[in-house]
Amino acid sequence: DAGVIQSPRHEVTEMGQEVTLRCKPISGHNSLFWYRQTMMRGLELLIYFNNNVPIDDSGMPEDRFSAKMPNASFSTLKIQPSEPRDSAVYFCASSLATGGRGNTIYFGEGSWLTVV
Amino acid sequence: EDKVVQSPLSLVVHEGDTVTLNCSYEVTNFRSLLWYKQEKKAPTFLFMLTSSGIEKKSGRLSSILDKKELSSILNITATQTGDSAIYLCAAHLYNQGGKLIFGQGTELSVKP
Repeated sequence: DAGVIQSPRHEVTEMGQEVTLRCKPISGHNSLFWYRQTMMRGLELLIYFNNNVPIDDSGMPEDRFSAKMPNASFSTLKIQPSEPRDSAVYFCASSLATGGRGNTIYFGEGSWLTVV
Repeated sequence: EDKVVQSPLSLVVHEGDTVTLNCSYEVTNFRSLLWYKQEKKAPTFLFMLTSSGIEKKSGRLSSILDKKELSSILNITATQTGDSAIYLCAAHLYNQGGKLIFGQGTELSVKP
């Protein structure tokens, strides 16, 4: 089975440009997460969706960041305008959230963003 | 505020040593504790711990959860250079779609 698929794998862009990161979750999963990882702050949850609805976006750093999930198989994370401090690895992850005690969350391979 | 704290932040050992990595959590609606290993790419799943005091093992790795102390440890015995990675623990919450709160990670370096 295909795992969580992210694109682009690497992105280098100039400050002020718009960046769009894409994610295709594992088929059948109903929860999707966007994480950002930096050396300074580790792995931070930015936003997560359940059944395509944003549940918690409190981790989104500021208005320059936005995320959408128009359907169960696609999500985007957009940064406009981008700044050098946005340089990080952005991970998308998905899971099948049930009422049970636990479920595994699967990560994509990340989108490495560099803003110069 | 929900938080997860790992210690040490970094660790250098020699092959054959045994290491213990620590994770403590303060979260609401705790469901389970997960451990991940991250090398150059995405975190890969190691363990999920839901019950206190029950050790989970996978080869040279083992982990246990202490719900009374709100903590978990990850042990690696007879370390190898291939164990060099960042080890992440995360608290998994109820009723929030499977939200994970990550610790900062422990960077383990195993020298030959």
